[in-house]
Amino acid sequence: DVKVTQSSRYLVKRTGEKVFLECVQDMDHENMFWYRQDPGLGLRLIYFSYDVKMKEKGDIPEGYSVSREKKERFSLILESASTNQTSMYLCASSLAGGIQYFGPGTRLTVT
Amino acid sequence: GESVGLHLPTLSVQEGDNSIINCAYSNSASDYFIWYKQESGKGPQFIIDIRSNMDKRQGQRVTVLLNKTVKHLSLQIAATQPGDSAVYFCAEKGGANNLFFGTGTRLTVIP
Repeated sequence: DVKVTQSSRYLVKRTGEKVFLECVQDMDHENMFWYRQDPGLGLRLIYFSYDVKMKEKGDIPEGYSVSREKKERFSLILESASTNQTSMYLCASSLAGGIQYFGPGTRLTVT
Repeated sequence: GESVGLHLPTLSVQEGDNSIINCAYSNSASDYFIWYKQESGKGPQFIIDIRSNMDKRQGQRVTVLLNKTVKHLSLQIAATQPGDSAVYFCAEKGGANNLFFGTGTRLTVIP
């Protein structure tokens, strides 16, 4: 079974804090993705990575950065959290061109 | 980005009835589609996929139909059960690795 884990299920941070969201997959997938999910807007791609140290911007990269130092781990960084970044964050992984498998999500609240 | 729309945001069905969830897509060149199920508090789960060289694919209690002429995708769930209550997303492959998601349909099964 594919397993994608995310470091936290719930996080509460203050405006201006630096926030790290971690994602780990155990299936040796090349691709990893970060999405945010908001009511009425569906899933929107923030960044994805198709290899170690490689990254590509998605549809809404502003205010975010990512890091992929190891194949199994993909981190999403909010350099200075803002209230409009309150959302559900979902990580996914896949083989090249394959089905994306999702983690359980991290619900982030920025106050 | 791609436009992937769902015809209805909510759907209620009686337990035991069949459910049909619809999805429209805009890119006639799209060649791969996936349906995901997302239960409350969890990440999206893969249900079934279909490539554009097919018009129908069946899984366990689920069938996906693809009509390329009108760019329409549907998910049929047979003998709907309470455990089928969830939000269902269609996703369209855009580019080598990306998926574009619809906003989702919430299926409620009435006992």
